[in-house]
Amino acid sequence: DSGVTQTPKHLITATGQRVTLRCSPRSGDLSVYWYQQSLDQGLQFLIQYYNGEERAKGNILERFSAQQFPDLHSELNLSSLELGDSALYFCASSATSGPTGELFFGEGSRLTVL
Amino acid sequence: ELKVEQNPLFLSMQEKKNYTIYCNYSTTSDRLYWYRQDPGKSLESLFVLLSNGAVKQEGRLMASLDTKARLSTLHITAAVHDLSATYFCAVDRYADMRFGAGTRLTVKP
Repeated sequence: DSGVTQTPKHLITATGQRVTLRCSPRSGDLSVYWYQQSLDQGLQFLIQYYNGEERAKGNILERFSAQQFPDLHSELNLSSLELGDSALYFCASSATSGPTGELFFGEGSRLTVL
Repeated sequence: ELKVEQNPLFLSMQEKKNYTIYCNYSTTSDRLYWYRQDPGKSLESLFVLLSNGAVKQEGRLMASLDTKARLSTLHITAAVHDLSATYFCAVDRYADMRFGAGTRLTVKP
């Protein structure tokens, strides 16, 4: 158990809908990362937050947004969902901002868009 | 842009033989990480390499880092079935942690 909690574990929804994925980092970790893992794109970095502020942005679509709250949990919002958004979304946390230490990954949220 | 390339992407290993996975990256960094992912599971940290020449070993796995060559290797000694998984290397540069495509290892008797 990495100590990173993600909910929901599985989510099935329809195209055009909006979903929110939630992540609670390890106790004491200030950084939260979001990754998307799909068969054809591999593990894609989406966005990173440190202590409530956005620190780095990767290949995140404009339809996606994220935030980190004062209690350090983070949410990834996916809107106007398309079939291609079906993937496993991982949250990871680390103790420092950058340069980073190792990441601790949650179990992931598997999103299926029908 | 930071790019991380692993090879091979697929590796079918025979038990008790030795193999090496390579991880090349495109820009200067002295922090490299190896992770393991079992099918349908999360990623688990294996090694953290923080300087040129760093070498870490855990059981049958040994990782090394050459920052001048921008190359890390993951060496597998005497492969056993429980090493079957996908292995990722990752490089971070200013809070941007980029992963390689992963190397899927299978061990056959």
